Amino acid sequence: GNSVTQMEGPVTLSEEAFLTINCTYTATGYPSLFWYVQYPGEGLQLLLKATKADDKGSNKGFEATYRKETTSFHLEKGSVQVSDSAVYFCALSQPGGGTSYGKLTFGQGTILTVHP
Amino acid sequence: DTAVSQTPKYLVTQMGNDKSIKCEQNLGHDTMYWYKQDSKKFLKIMFSYNNKELIINETVPNRFSPKSPDKAHLNLHINSLELGDSAVYFCASSQRSYEQYFGPGTRLTVT
Repeated sequence: GNSVTQMEGPVTLSEEAFLTINCTYTATGYPSLFWYVQYPGEGLQLLLKATKADDKGSNKGFEATYRKETTSFHLEKGSVQVSDSAVYFCALSQPGGGTSYGKLTFGQGTILTVHP
Repeated sequence: DTAVSQTPKYLVTQMGNDKSIKCEQNLGHDTMYWYKQDSKKFLKIMFSYNNKELIINETVPNRFSPKSPDKAHLNLHINSLELGDSAVYFCASSQRSYEQYFGPGTRLTVT
């Protein structure tokens, strides 16, 4: 079955530091890949996505590139802010119908804390 | 306007009780989902409905029963609540199988 593995957390950084959160996946075919963010006490928000190999998703200074050869979708940001403190989830969705229709498979989440 | 809303936001109840969580979306989407987030933040899908038809039914105890009265609503009813049911439950919706929009979550505490 499908699976997503994220780097172990939590991650603690100082403001303006460079961020990388690793994500690798196991899936057949060509899944769509996502990063969701969960701010404290809130639901999940889609941060960025990529639907095919070599696509780069970007939003709010965050970027991730769909690497089929390494089955990875690492999240990066050049300069983090205190307001980026949240839980970040990598996820995949398998295209097609049947019992996998729309199903998101999540990684375990990575808690990011950014200090001033 | 809230795109995906859930009620209640917090739910504290005793073991053995029956409770319901309601979800509504005003995005015009045709697919809705329930996810469970455990104390370690791990998220797992429970159910999904497409045009009121059950599509995904993961390995969930049959004490959990989803109901979709129309495309804009998906409710979750839980019978005979157990301590292990304590979690945050998220509703989400999407148009077909495209990106999903999540509600704010319902924190269920079973004592």
